[in-house]
Amino acid sequence: AQSVSQHNHHVILSEAASLELGCNYSYGGTVNLFWYVQYPGQHLQLLLKYFSGDPLVKGIKGFEAEFIKSKFSFNLRKPSVQWSDTAEYFCAVNDVQAQLWSRNLTGGGNKLTFGTGTQLKVEL
Amino acid sequence: KAGVTQTPRYLIKTRGQQVTLSCSPISGHRSVSWYQQTPGQGLQFLFEYFSETQRNKGNFPGRFSGRQFSNSRSEMNVSTLELGDSALYLCASSLEASFLAKNIQYFGAGTRLSVL
Repeated sequence: AQSVSQHNHHVILSEAASLELGCNYSYGGTVNLFWYVQYPGQHLQLLLKYFSGDPLVKGIKGFEAEFIKSKFSFNLRKPSVQWSDTAEYFCAVNDVQAQLWSRNLTGGGNKLTFGTGTQLKVEL
Repeated sequence: KAGVTQTPRYLIKTRGQQVTLSCSPISGHRSVSWYQQTPGQGLQFLFEYFSETQRNKGNFPGRFSGRQFSNSRSEMNVSTLELGDSALYLCASSLEASFLAKNIQYFGAGTRLSVL
């Protein structure tokens, strides 16, 4: 089964520092990739997504991520973090290929496999 | 457009009881998925419903079940509650469930279940 690894569980940065959060998934095929963010007391929100095409994707609030297929990675980056970026960040994979195989070409599937999350704290 | 709505927001139950959680997807969304979030296990997929049919299922015991109605609203039920079922249960909706569609899941605020 697909699995997702987020290497950093807790990250503390000062404002204006650069951020890179690692995310690796376990095997290839056709996958859709996502980063979600959960601000304190709020629900999960989509930060950015990758379906196909340009491996460098841009999301909201200045975040971007790069898909490297050969490394099964989808790392999140931001050049300069702000105090308001304090939140928990989740990488998620929708393994559409596996779902297609398991359902005899009937297609479909919204099964997200999440990483364990990275708690980011940005200090003033 | 209203987001994904989950009710109730908080529940307290005792071991052995059963519970039903409700989810109303974003208008027009036909796929509803459920996830369990705990500090120890993180976010884990429970099941997905599309057109009143279960399309995907995670690795949870049969005590966890769900259904979807013709208006796409969904419920999940947990029978014979155990202490370990204490968690935040999240519902997510998506416009389509087609392999070719670029599905994005939008999450609700969740129902926090405490089992005593």
